[in-house]
Amino acid sequence: AQSVTQLDSQVPVFEEAPVELRCNYSSSVSVYLFWYVQYPNQGLQLLLKYLSGSTLVKGINGFEAEFNKSQTSFHLRKPSVHISDTAEYFCAVSFYGGSQGNLIFGKGTKLSVKP
Amino acid sequence: GAGVSQSPSNKVTEKGKDVELRCDPISGHTALYWYRQSLGQGLEFLIYFQGNSAPDKSGLPSDRFSAERTGGSVSTLTIQRTQQEDSAVYLCASSFGRGSFGGNEQFFGPGTRLTVL
Repeated sequence: AQSVTQLDSQVPVFEEAPVELRCNYSSSVSVYLFWYVQYPNQGLQLLLKYLSGSTLVKGINGFEAEFNKSQTSFHLRKPSVHISDTAEYFCAVSFYGGSQGNLIFGKGTKLSVKP
Repeated sequence: GAGVSQSPSNKVTEKGKDVELRCDPISGHTALYWYRQSLGQGLEFLIYFQGNSAPDKSGLPSDRFSAERTGGSVSTLTIQRTQQEDSAVYLCASSFGRGSFGGNEQFFGPGTRLTVL
């Protein structure tokens, strides 16, 4: 069965520090990969996605992620975080050729940026 | 333009009552998804519609859950005889094109927070 693991449930960092949120997936078929962000009391917003091509993907708000097929990872990074980046981040996959295109999510990582 | 909207934003009900949750997708989006977000289970997929059809309902947690979509637009998720374990945030998402192409971006609504007392 396919699954997504986010190793860290909470990540505290200081403002302007770099951050990496880790995501690993398990799948026997090719996948599409996504990172979504959820601000308090809001829905999910897409940060970036990997479909094919270059393994380094740049998204909104200065975030980027790198797809590593051999490691089955899709870690999210930002070189310098802001207070406004405080939110919960979800890694998700969908499956190439799947019948429904639904997303399978990790449990989420709460990023807390402190001044 | 308008995003995905859901109503109500909050719903408190008593155990055993039926509830209806509504989703208005982005105009022109043919694919529509329902997910449930709860503390214990994280984000779970419930059901997918392509147009008005739901090809696979196996993601629904029990036969108390049903969903329909009319006119290729509005969708309603109905929970009958609610139980306390149904308490969660129910999220709706829509996407352009066929949902079976898993690479399409899904746009999420703000969710309906359901509390079953």
